[in-house]
Amino acid sequence: GAGVSQTPSNKVTEKGKYVELRCDPISGHTALYWYRQSLGQGPEFLIYFQGTGAADDSGLPNDRFFAVRPEGSVSTLKIQRTERGDSAVYLCASSFQRNTEAFFGQGTRLTVV
Amino acid sequence: AQKITQTQPGMFVQEKEAVTLDCTYDTSDPSYGLFWYKQPSSGEMIFLIYQGSYDQQNATEGRYSLNFQKARKSANLVISASQLGDSAMYFCAMREVGYSTLTFGKGTMLLVSP
Repeated sequence: GAGVSQTPSNKVTEKGKYVELRCDPISGHTALYWYRQSLGQGPEFLIYFQGTGAADDSGLPNDRFFAVRPEGSVSTLKIQRTERGDSAVYLCASSFQRNTEAFFGQGTRLTVV
Repeated sequence: AQKITQTQPGMFVQEKEAVTLDCTYDTSDPSYGLFWYKQPSSGEMIFLIYQGSYDQQNATEGRYSLNFQKARKSANLVISASQLGDSAMYFCAMREVGYSTLTFGKGTMLLVSP
């Protein structure tokens, strides 16, 4: 497809488990962003990739969260030892360059029970 | 202090009428960009309109226009001739110079009635 694709669309996991969320950006977009949106809130920044490298990971809440983008395209957000407070919609966005318009995927709704 | 403030949790408008969604922002940077996104129930964030801090004219995109008042630090979204499909959450966001990321407000839920 032409847009940003995120899988899975929904994920239910037990507290303490490990999860991976995948983002497939628009082809040719060098910048990729992860945001987290809690119920009733706007998206909050987690991490930004320029190419393969994490240019800004200041939004990651703690060391249980990690993200990679090994080939400069698909990115995976990894959450270890999940907690109920991690339940949210995780949004991925990509843009052609650093300061151009960002296009968002439909998000992954993570529920930790 | 919040960087983006959207004071209207919810707004109601009748089909074909115009509606204004408020947004104020806080930054000390002279260069920044302001964005509006629409989020329908499907969850995807849809880009609507962009205003740069140095743009002389208010941005317009079809039925969307941005009422940019720099001195007041406000960037209100105006939707003309509302349609039922406009019912969604609307988020105002800002990107400051030197940052590649967006800071979002809490959003305004717009409901358009027939």
